[in-house]
Amino acid sequence: KQEVTQIPAALSVPEGENLVLNCSFTDSAIYNLQWFRQDPGKGLTSLLLIQSSQREQTSGRLNASLDKSSGRSTLYIAASQPGDSATYLCAVVGGSYIPTFGRGTSLIVHP
Amino acid sequence: EAGVTQSPTHLIKTRGQQATLRCSPISGHTSVYWYQQALGLGLQFLLWYDEGEERNRGNFPPRFSGRQFPNYSSELNVNALELEDSALYLCASSLEGADYGYTFGSGTRLTVV
Repeated sequence: KQEVTQIPAALSVPEGENLVLNCSFTDSAIYNLQWFRQDPGKGLTSLLLIQSSQREQTSGRLNASLDKSSGRSTLYIAASQPGDSATYLCAVVGGSYIPTFGRGTSLIVHP
Repeated sequence: EAGVTQSPTHLIKTRGQQATLRCSPISGHTSVYWYQQALGLGLQFLLWYDEGEERNRGNFPPRFSGRQFPNYSSELNVNALELEDSALYLCASSLEGADYGYTFGSGTRLTVV
């Protein structure tokens, strides 16, 4: 059974810092990995999707990497802003086509 | 292009009643997934429908059920509501094979009193 762990569980930083959020998974036979953002009480917004054959994806200030062999993905946020405050979730998809989620990293960026 | 839409946004029910939640996927998406997100917990997989069939279900009791209609919209039914069913229920849709990832709706907040 796939297990997904996200570290750290919570993070509070001043505006402008570069951040690294980590996601690890136990079964490396994945199909893809997707990073989401969730604002309090809201749905999930997709940030980046990495296929198993890819090593990284970039969108604006966000960069996600994938290392299947070590069972890890990293979400890098450059020059953080207060508007980046949210919970960040990673979801791993294997042959079952059912996303398995980590518990998330709760991020607060203060001015 | 419209995203995944869920209704109602909020639902308040009394313990023992039934709740019905609805989800409309993105046009062209045939798969619909339901997740439960209770306060302080992660997203727990409930049900997966594709092409009108239930493909898989998570570790939830049978009083959680649903269906998918010919237009690929879906309904989640929760019978004999219990207080611990209070949660945010999220629906996601995808194309067959999930090559393009999953798109989530804004959720239905179910409160059982």
